[in-house]
This record gives sequence, structure tokens and C-alpha cells, in this order.
Amino acid sequence: DTEVTQTPKHLVMGMTNKKSLKCEQHMGHRAMYWYKQKAKKPPELMFVYSYEKLSINESVPSRFSPECPNSSLLNLHLHALQPEDSALYLCASSDPSLNTEAFFGQGTRLTVV
Amino acid sequence: QKEVEQDPGPLSVPEGAIVSLNCTYSNSAFQYFMWYRQYSRKGPELLMYTYSSGNKEDGRFTAQVDKSSKYISLFIRDSQPSDSATYLCAMKRTGANNLFFGTGTRLTVIP
Repeated sequence: DTEVTQTPKHLVMGMTNKKSLKCEQHMGHRAMYWYKQKAKKPPELMFVYSYEKLSINESVPSRFSPECPNSSLLNLHLHALQPEDSALYLCASSDPSLNTEAFFGQGTRLTVV
Repeated sequence: QKEVEQDPGPLSVPEGAIVSLNCTYSNSAFQYFMWYRQYSRKGPELLMYTYSSGNKEDGRFTAQVDKSSKYISLFIRDSQPSDSATYLCAMKRTGANNLFFGTGTRLTVIP
């Protein structure tokens, strides 16, 4: 099973709302990632968790708050977003100890109104 | 100079053609190479993962890595309309978690 599951698939939120994106994998991977992808652009790395600890934060605004409750779950909490934050948010996972490939979820398409 | 360069296309070919997709990179520390296929509004799907220089084949797909030239390729034989998608190359350094992506090549296979 190489599946990374993301919920919800679509999300529309106002600029004053608080929402969360969820990601789950059961491959035993101990590295999990959040990427942001705008139309016709490659994914841009936002955060990396390695062994449930935040290891990379690519200078992401504080209105995005990641959380890794356990080795299978990754959340991205959203608050006071701007319309320009509308994008496809992708979760990925990999095994950090084996230099293996990364598997992506199908993404959450976020629209901020 | 970007660390990974990829011809953005778009690339349009007739069904049955052989497709060649390419990426170049500048950082010799990149040791692991991936090709992803991404359909519109979907997440990237891993197609090929390679480490060493040389060729790796999986069905109609062949990934080629030339570390001395810092050049990787993906060949698609007998292309099908269902291959129409954006193809992203990605690579990473040993021990690092983050991937460096090319800009993606948009491929259309015409029936």
C-alpha cells in the first residue's frame, strides 16, 4: 500500500475562518511533508517533519501551522488566510532512513474567498 | 540558475510516438532521481525512481540517468492518450528529505 490519504479533497474558506487539512499514511514512513502547488507550477515545499519533529520550515507565514500528532498523521492548520493562498496543498511521505522515493496524496484544493 | 531545469513544453505527439522528457541539474550532490506524472487537479504519481547512472525500465517507461553530464531523461514508448499529463522530474541529496523539482513538462498525446 503506497497510499497517502488527504482530506478534504476540496475546501472553500473565508479569510476569517479557521480550518485544518489532514493527511494520513500507513507505510511506516517517518518523514512527512506539506507542499503548496499553484496552477502550472511545480510543488513548493512548505514543511518537513522527520520522526514527528519539524525539521524544515521554508519561511512559511504563521497563518499556516503544521502539526504531526503521530507517525501516521500530519495536519495543516489554517487561519486568516489570504486569497493568494488558494492552491493545491499536497501531503507526501517517505522513509528518511532509506533515501527512498516520496509518495504524494491527491491533494486538497483550497479556495480562499 | 535554477538547480533543476526542465523544458516546460508543451509537447504534443501522435499516439504511438516515442516521447523523450529531459531534466538537467547543477548540483552534483543530487543522488536520487524521480519522475512523477500529474494529471490535472490531482497529486503527483510516482512513475520511476533511480539512483545510479544507467537505465531503468518499467513497462513502456525507461528512466535514464547520466550523472557525469548531470542529465536525466524519461522515455515513453508507444505513447497513449492516457499519458497526457504534466511530467515532473525531482531529485534529492543523500540524507536530505526535501525534493527539488523541475518546472514540469506538459504532454499531450493525440489519438
